[in-house]
Amino acid sequence: GIQVEQSPPDLILQEGANSTLRCNFSDSVNNLQWFHQNPWGQLINLFYIPSGTKQNGRLSATTVATERYSLLYISSSQTTDSGVYFCAVEEEGGGNKLTFGTGTQLKVEL
Amino acid sequence: GAVVSQHPSWVICKSGTSVKIECRSLDFQATTMFWYRQFPKQSLMLMATSNEGSKATYEQGVEKDKFLINHASLTLSTLTVTSAHPEDSSFYICSARDPTAYANTGELFFGEGSRLTVL
Repeated sequence: GIQVEQSPPDLILQEGANSTLRCNFSDSVNNLQWFHQNPWGQLINLFYIPSGTKQNGRLSATTVATERYSLLYISSSQTTDSGVYFCAVEEEGGGNKLTFGTGTQLKVEL
Repeated sequence: GAVVSQHPSWVICKSGTSVKIECRSLDFQATTMFWYRQFPKQSLMLMATSNEGSKATYEQGVEKDKFLINHASLTLSTLTVTSAHPEDSSFYICSARDPTAYANTGELFFGEGSRLTVL
């Protein structure tokens, strides 16, 4: 099956700093989503981005499908951004199910 | 976006008992739902695909007799952990896609998750 690797695995930022999270995948995909998992476990949809670039407030994402990676940018980070960020992909011919990446644990400190 | 709800949010049970977790699509009908499992500090792993009106499709290594899935209606899928043991303690989370929106977005939405602790 498809492999989805995220980097870095852990990240500590000072409030106000910017960061880039990366998601690499091993095969062609139909869909790609970014999620933020809060401390209570709930997955918050950030972006549905199989290709191209999208922005939502301080967050933006870019997927280059031909090169099999996606980037999530967080600008002016806040303590509420802390948590785990996952990318998840739907492999072509994979039956509409998402395979999750390894995750990036982000901690934003004052 | 589409709303998916799970119940209960957390449950504690004794070893050997069975526990049922419900997943509901609140504002759309879902012919397919997905059940995931997450151990502490790990990623989400797909357990099975729940298909309305037919048998669930289980991922390799997931015991179908252990994790019973029923998708009896277009808005409800249930996961029953049978004869639960401490190693079954985990975070279980379901997801669904609004099929009327699939052609436009293909986006999956997740429930709040259910944390199971088996004593």
